[in-house]
Amino acid sequence: EVVMTQSPLSLPVTLGQPASISCRSSQSLVYSDGNTYLIWFHQRPGQSPRRLIYKVSNRDSGVPDRFSGSGSGTDFTLKISRVEAEDVGVYYCMQGTHWPLTFGGGTKLEIK
Amino acid sequence: QVTLKESGPALVKATQTLTLTCTFSGFSLSTSKMRVSWIRQPPGKALEWLARIDWDDDKFYSTSLKTRLTISKDTSKNQVVLTMTNMDPVDTATYYCARIKIGGYYFDYWGQGTLVTVSS
Repeated sequence: EVVMTQSPLSLPVTLGQPASISCRSSQSLVYSDGNTYLIWFHQRPGQSPRRLIYKVSNRDSGVPDRFSGSGSGTDFTLKISRVEAEDVGVYYCMQGTHWPLTFGGGTKLEIK
Repeated sequence: QVTLKESGPALVKATQTLTLTCTFSGFSLSTSKMRVSWIRQPPGKALEWLARIDWDDDKFYSTSLKTRLTISKDTSKNQVVLTMTNMDPVDTATYYCARIKIGGYYFDYWGQGTLVTVSS
């Protein structure tokens, strides 16, 4: 089973400042078809998770362009260029390359 | 418009069997390359993937829970059912169902979740 490790656990950020979350996998997430199935979700308190990014760097429809995903192999990053108040909550990475699917432990973003 | 909604008991006793139903609309599980999964989240904790069922009735389970889980579908009703046997208080969680489209399009739509509390 692939272990997904996120850091930091907690991320206090000033409004308008950038933020970065790291996600590392215990083995490569490159699938036999050449794609890398690394996904990012955002979960606000009391809500279901919402997908932000799929296949490392593809933003979902309606996701602001201040969100970007990057990385390869086992090392991935979610960046927010300028944090806004609506960005608070917990961010999860998930790998979809190997079954069973596994999630990271989450990073809680809060406003300083 | 794709929607999913979980239903089931809010409270179960330890050792009982939990049965949850995911009722969805806006897509069909008889369509090639469609999948539905269950995911759970204990209060204040991270997400945990549980099981999936495919359009062709293929199934896959969490390694640690596979002896306790059964997933099935009723295509005519647009429903996916998850049963979990021998419930324990540590299974207290919000249980979600979510859609997958093969090709790497994981969990583009989620249900609202249903909180299940297991009493001892």
